[in-house]
Formats: sequence, C-alpha cells, structure tokens
Amino acid sequence: AQSVTQPDIHITVSEGASLELRCNYSYGATPYLFWYVQSPGQGLQLLLKYFSGDTLVQGIKGFEAEFKRSQSSFNLRKPSVHWSDAAEYFCAVGANQAGTALIFGKGTTLSVSS
Amino acid sequence: EPEVTQTPSHQVTQMGQEVILRCVPISNHLYFYWYRQILGQKVEFLVSFYNNEISEKSEIFDDQFSVERPDGSNFTLKIRSTKLEDSAMYFCASSTGLSTNEKLFFGSGTQLSVL
Repeated sequence: AQSVTQPDIHITVSEGASLELRCNYSYGATPYLFWYVQSPGQGLQLLLKYFSGDTLVQGIKGFEAEFKRSQSSFNLRKPSVHWSDAAEYFCAVGANQAGTALIFGKGTTLSVSS
Repeated sequence: EPEVTQTPSHQVTQMGQEVILRCVPISNHLYFYWYRQILGQKVEFLVSFYNNEISEKSEIFDDQFSVERPDGSNFTLKIRSTKLEDSAMYFCASSTGLSTNEKLFFGSGTQLSVL
C-alpha cells in the first residue's frame, strides 16, 4: 500500500543548529515527493518537491531534501534553523509532478529553542 | 487512528454546473478548512470555518464558493458555477484548535475536473 511515514512526531532543535526531518515512503512506482510546511494558523506551504534528476533538491527558506531510492527516504534538511522555522512539516508522495494525488505523512512538529 | 474523509475522490463536471464537495472531519474537531491545489501549483488555503461561520478566507474564496456544516458531521464546499480554472485537488482538513500545538488533519482530497 502507498504510504508515507514520518517517524518523528516532535523534534526540538536549538536555534542555529542543523535540522533533519525524516520521511520514508512506500510507493509502487517512481514517486513524486514533497515537503510542505504549516505554520500555526496557516495553510500548507510547499517547501520543495522531487520528481526526477538530481537527488538533492533545493527548496525555499533554505531547506533541501535528498531522495534516496535505496532507503525509500526523502529527508528534509536545513543547515541552520531559525526560530521562524518552528512549524509542522508534512512529507507527501504523489502520483504526478503537480502533487494532485498526494499521500501525506502525519507530520513532524518542529520546535526551536533559543 | 481517526481520519478526515472526503467524498468523492474524483468528480468530473461541466463548466457552469454546481458541485458540492463533501468532507467528514474528525468528530471532536472544531475547526474546518478547505485547501486546493491547482495542477502545477502549491496547495492553497481557501477557507476556515468555526462555530458555524467562516473565520477566515482567502481571496480565492469568492462569491462562487460557499461552505456549510449542514448536520454537525459533514462539512461541504459548494462551487456555484464551476469554471475551468476551478479544476484542482481540494483538500479538507480539521483540527481541534488554532494554537501552536494543534495538528491539522487532512483528508485525502477530491480531484475536481471541470470540462
């Protein structure tokens, strides 16, 4: 069955420290992979997506993610976290590039400590 | 694990027709949302709904759109006269509140195709 697993429900990182949010997927075909962020009271915002080519994808707000087919993973990273990065992050897998058939993970809540 | 349920998963309609997208939020949730994602674009917030009224809406949510919680369990999005540009994936979501610790639970979406 198609699924997305985000193993970490809640992560706390010190401001300025590096961040990695984990995402594993199960998908029958070549996946299209996405990361979304949700700030409190806001809608989802697409951070980045991968559908082919370079397995290291650059996104907005200084985020990047690396697709590793052998590990069925698409982990999100940021070298230096800012307090404004505190939010809920959703990984998703889709059937196409536009993400119109998304399967979302349950999300990881990121807290940033000073 | 409770979940937000959306029906149908895919709806095809003719331009100018009315459509109603249905959602059953998680039972103890109080805040309800609709998002949409047009092909190739990011997921967009449409509207939030609380205490039987709209609490926030985006510029996308014009007079052609309306939401309703008709029976205490369903949460519907109506598009009065569909346009081609309404073709999108529509996501319903719900939460218990709006604070930092609240989690938004999304449905799996309804793919609306306007022909």
